[in-house]
Amino acid sequence: GQNIDQPTEMTATEGAIVQINCTYQTSGFNGLFWYQQHAGEAPTFLSYNVLDGLEEKGRFSSFLSRSKGYSYLLLKELQMKDSASYLCAVRDHGGSWGKLQFGAGTQVVVTP
Amino acid sequence: GAVVSQHPSWVICKSGTSVKIECRSLDFQATTMFWYRQFPKQSLMLMATSNEGSKATYEQGVEKDKFLINHASLTLSTLTVTSAHPEDSSFYICSARWASGSTDTQYFGPGTRLTVL
Repeated sequence: GQNIDQPTEMTATEGAIVQINCTYQTSGFNGLFWYQQHAGEAPTFLSYNVLDGLEEKGRFSSFLSRSKGYSYLLLKELQMKDSASYLCAVRDHGGSWGKLQFGAGTQVVVTP
Repeated sequence: GAVVSQHPSWVICKSGTSVKIECRSLDFQATTMFWYRQFPKQSLMLMATSNEGSKATYEQGVEKDKFLINHASLTLSTLTVTSAHPEDSSFYICSARWASGSTDTQYFGPGTRLTVL
């Protein structure tokens, strides 16, 4: 099985930077994903890391260290619309058809 | 990114009736689609993995006779909630696996909110 841990909630002010950490313990690994989910909506794909290092996409960056079982999502220049739940998900390999196991999500609250 | 649609976006039905939800990958072929359920303030729960042309693989605790999944083509998977009851009221979300070159990720549909009276 897989354990995926991320903080429950984080609060930051508009324009600031927030880093959401995710640690995982898996029997196999074939990629780590970050999704954004606004209340009442489906998740939206943000990033995908399969190799160690930093992936940058505009205001969002994601980092992966496979040896440490660790990832983070960095949100820069926070905007009010960034208030949402951020889901960390790990994909197993082998015969699991690429299914993802999700963490419980981190609720980010952006204040003025 | 890839686009996945779901229909209907919301449905209200009477207890004991069946409801079918469609999931389509609009601009790519998806050999694998996934069905999730999400209750308020909870995380996504994977219900089953749907592969084109074969039987779905259900997660532990999910009744396959109650949640019928059909993956008839590379762009369409359907979930039928049979004999729905109020406890089946939830947000049902599908996702489709898109693999191209070095990219292999999942894109979600917009979800279907089911309310069973």
